[in-house]
Amino acid sequence: GAGVSQSPSNKVTEKGKDVELRCDPISGHTALYWYRQSLGQGLEFLIYFQGNSAPDKSGLPSDRFSAERTGGSVSTLTIQRTQQEDSAVYLCASSRIHRVMNTEAFFGQGTRLTVV
Amino acid sequence: AQTVTQSQPEMSVQEAETVTLSCTYDTSESDYYLFWYKQPPSRQMILVIRQEAYKQQNATENRFSVNFQKAAKSFSLKISDSQLGDAAMYFCAYRDSGGGADGLTFGKGTHLIIQP
Repeated sequence: GAGVSQSPSNKVTEKGKDVELRCDPISGHTALYWYRQSLGQGLEFLIYFQGNSAPDKSGLPSDRFSAERTGGSVSTLTIQRTQQEDSAVYLCASSRIHRVMNTEAFFGQGTRLTVV
Repeated sequence: AQTVTQSQPEMSVQEAETVTLSCTYDTSESDYYLFWYKQPPSRQMILVIRQEAYKQQNATENRFSVNFQKAAKSFSLKISDSQLGDAAMYFCAYRDSGGGADGLTFGKGTHLIIQP
């Protein structure tokens, strides 16, 4: 696609429900990143994928959070038993190669998650 | 751990004037990269400018330039001839060049208001 696509754009869920957020990176981008942006805060790094593998999952805030990537393309971020503090904008970014200076990371428009 | 601090939650400038956004960071690394991102209401993060720490020359992109002071760990963004379209949240970000799986570390952002 032309850019990083995230769905849904907005999601309202009840506390305790599970939610799944989707990121479709730019075709050919091997690196994919998830960030969380809480109200009035900067972006908090959650996890990155190089291909289908996620070498470091330590940024995930709790074991209710998980992410996977299949086929080196689409990634899903799953939050189980959602809590009100999970309310935030979840941003996805992709780049051709991880950690290479001249490879810009392109961001999607995010999913605004509201837990009520 | 690296930290990025933006001490100005909000800045206001008259259209066509110049404004400088501040950013300081803390790291023990000698080689790293610094970025300024713009986030308009659409939520999509847009790269404005980037700087390699090993380069002494300040980066410039049209109306946007940085003042990189490595010893002081300071990385300010100057916007010249401010335009209404520059109104957005601006985030300073850091990434080291060493090993590890971390992505970008962001500051909390500065809300830039352009007065017509």
